[in-house]
Amino acid sequence: DARVTQTPRHKVTEMGQEVTMRCQPILGHNTVFWYRQTMMQGLELLAYFRNRAPLDDSGMPKDRFSAEMPDATLATLKIQPSEPRDSAVYFCASGSRGTGELFFGEGSRLTVL
Amino acid sequence: AQTVTQSQPEMSVQEAETVTLSCTYDTSENNYYLFWYKQPPSRQMILVIRQEAYKQQNATENRFSVNFQKAAKSFSLKISDSQLGDTAMYFCAFMKPQGAQKLVFGQGTRLTINP
Repeated sequence: DARVTQTPRHKVTEMGQEVTMRCQPILGHNTVFWYRQTMMQGLELLAYFRNRAPLDDSGMPKDRFSAEMPDATLATLKIQPSEPRDSAVYFCASGSRGTGELFFGEGSRLTVL
Repeated sequence: AQTVTQSQPEMSVQEAETVTLSCTYDTSENNYYLFWYKQPPSRQMILVIRQEAYKQQNATENRFSVNFQKAAKSFSLKISDSQLGDTAMYFCAFMKPQGAQKLVFGQGTRLTINP
């Protein structure tokens, strides 16, 4: 049963610490998205990859956030240093361009104290 | 830029009733996709139904159907014979088929099905 896998599911850390979230997209999918969900802002797009190349990271705070796809089976989202306002659920989603459908992982809930 | 608006923050109905969730969107595009996603307490985002703008026929998936009014830019979701397991947040979303193919989400409607 193909699915998007995200780790960790939960992370509690202290302000100033580095946080890395990982995503394994569905095999064969060539687009990968990172979304952030908060009560106040809802679902916001942070970054987008197609064929592993970053195409849009305009929604991401550049000074502390970075997103990469070192290979086709792994996407990472890193926050350094983390701040309490980064507390949110971070979703990874993957899809095949042209199908118009994205599949979401279960999300990583981040709490920064 | 596209925007998606869900005007009902919360709704509550009794089990077995029919409920309709509203969604409007703003775009200058002629061809696009519209989606309804369900997010239960487990927080998994689950695709409920999809509509392609060039198709006039409303999409249906079992108890879920949509009323797509392209001229009015309206895309409502109807849930028939509601079940306790339908309790969740429901998000309406828009996607252009070209370019980035990113989803633009509404703020969501929290639906509670009461026994």
